[in-house]
Amino acid sequence: QSALTQPASVSGSPGQSITISCTGTSSDIGGYNYVSWYQQHPGKAPKLMIYDVSNRPSGVSPRFSGSKSGNTASLTISGLQAEDEADYYCSSYTTSSTLVFGGGTKLTVL
Amino acid sequence: QVQLQESGPGLVKPSETLSLTCTVSGDSITSSYWSWIRQPPGRGLEWIGFIYYTGSTNYNPSLKSRVTMSLDTSKNQFSLRLSSVSAADTAIYYCAREVHYLQFEYWGQGTLVTVSS
Repeated sequence: QSALTQPASVSGSPGQSITISCTGTSSDIGGYNYVSWYQQHPGKAPKLMIYDVSNRPSGVSPRFSGSKSGNTASLTISGLQAEDEADYYCSSYTTSSTLVFGGGTKLTVL
Repeated sequence: QVQLQESGPGLVKPSETLSLTCTVSGDSITSSYWSWIRQPPGRGLEWIGFIYYTGSTNYNPSLKSRVTMSLDTSKNQFSLRLSSVSAADTAIYYCAREVHYLQFEYWGQGTLVTVSS
């Protein structure tokens, strides 16, 4: 199974919105609505931000939203804040009942 | 509050077997699927596999030949064994509990395992 494709880096200014894409295939993202997004700060464990494409766990800011079209999922962060600077990973359930992650995207808040 | 804690040797010799245990508190190990995920230093996440309390498992195809997972319901723990390790297996190893379909709400803090002679 190949890793999902994410941009290596994105950046934005405080208050702006950014979108991170995550591209897979019909065997993963395109075939299931089990796409998740994780935020990881340096030295910390990943934190679930979005699951089932667009659901937020309790306690996650509504500034974080997810969507999917075909084989591509997206994470949008609105009203960027300094604390949003982190690495972001997407993941998807696959036809083999396994999991594949994206390579990760480094978000820089300018 | 669900908490997971990884434990095991931080240094393993090449060609030997890496063994880690994840102790779960605040939840029963019979309640969900439990996974191991790793992250080489400075790199991305890689899913290793999952185990269910029935003993059912599924592994990443790229690691399948070297991975064994097990669990101990009496201790509320599950374990990972990775055989024939090399420097490429040096990573932070996380254990995690899913919401469903391998989407992880609870993570351990991670433990660094270095493969070196």
